[in-house]
Amino acid sequence: EVQVVQSGAEVKKPGESLKISCKGSGYSFTTYWIAWVRQMPGKGLEWMGTIYPGDSDTIYSPSFQGQVTMSADKSISTAYLQWSSLKASDTAMYYCARAGLYSSDIWGQGTMVTVSS
Amino acid sequence: EIVLTQSPGTLSLSPGERATLSCRASQSVSGSYLAWFQQKPGQAPRLLIHGASSRATGIPDRFSGSGSGTDFTLTISRLEPEDFAVYYCQQYGNSPTTFGGGTKVEIK
Repeated sequence: EVQVVQSGAEVKKPGESLKISCKGSGYSFTTYWIAWVRQMPGKGLEWMGTIYPGDSDTIYSPSFQGQVTMSADKSISTAYLQWSSLKASDTAMYYCARAGLYSSDIWGQGTMVTVSS
Repeated sequence: EIVLTQSPGTLSLSPGERATLSCRASQSVSGSYLAWFQQKPGQAPRLLIHGASSRATGIPDRFSGSGSGTDFTLTISRLEPEDFAVYYCQQYGNSPTTFGGGTKVEIK
């Protein structure tokens, strides 16, 4: 079965760092992009950027450039999204999705990140 | 970046009725790389349509997409109870990829 599985919910304090993960299985992880999408509480979908695990080529949305870092470890078919210093406004659900010619066809279950003092 | 404007914001319909959702782009979408997603409360989005008019795997044929350039439409021919949800369009032909603000289809 083709799937991407995300790490579990996180509760952090402002200023802390965080790295969440997205593991692909059932397909060739290095030949599809992995996209990251933010959904703030009660709001719509926002495309953050995408990474190609084959060579770690990364494209960030201008809105998220410099705010987060995307990476991947192809040896374990896992992509990551990380923050160096979280803010309360980073509280959101974060989705990863397999992306390619047919847009984002396989989505993870989402990782809820809560940042609160 | 391309801005996608979806209308209406909310569509109130009854089961069995036809739903027509609009997605307008601020500039032409390259290659008609326009997708539609469905999202239900507490769930991840699900891909319905890619390439403006191609149904994704397993999507019922009551869902259809059309359009090109800057104007795109998602049509649900006869609403089933499970179709009441929020629908998003996405363009992925121009960098950065962008989403529309969503249309909520609710039960009248």
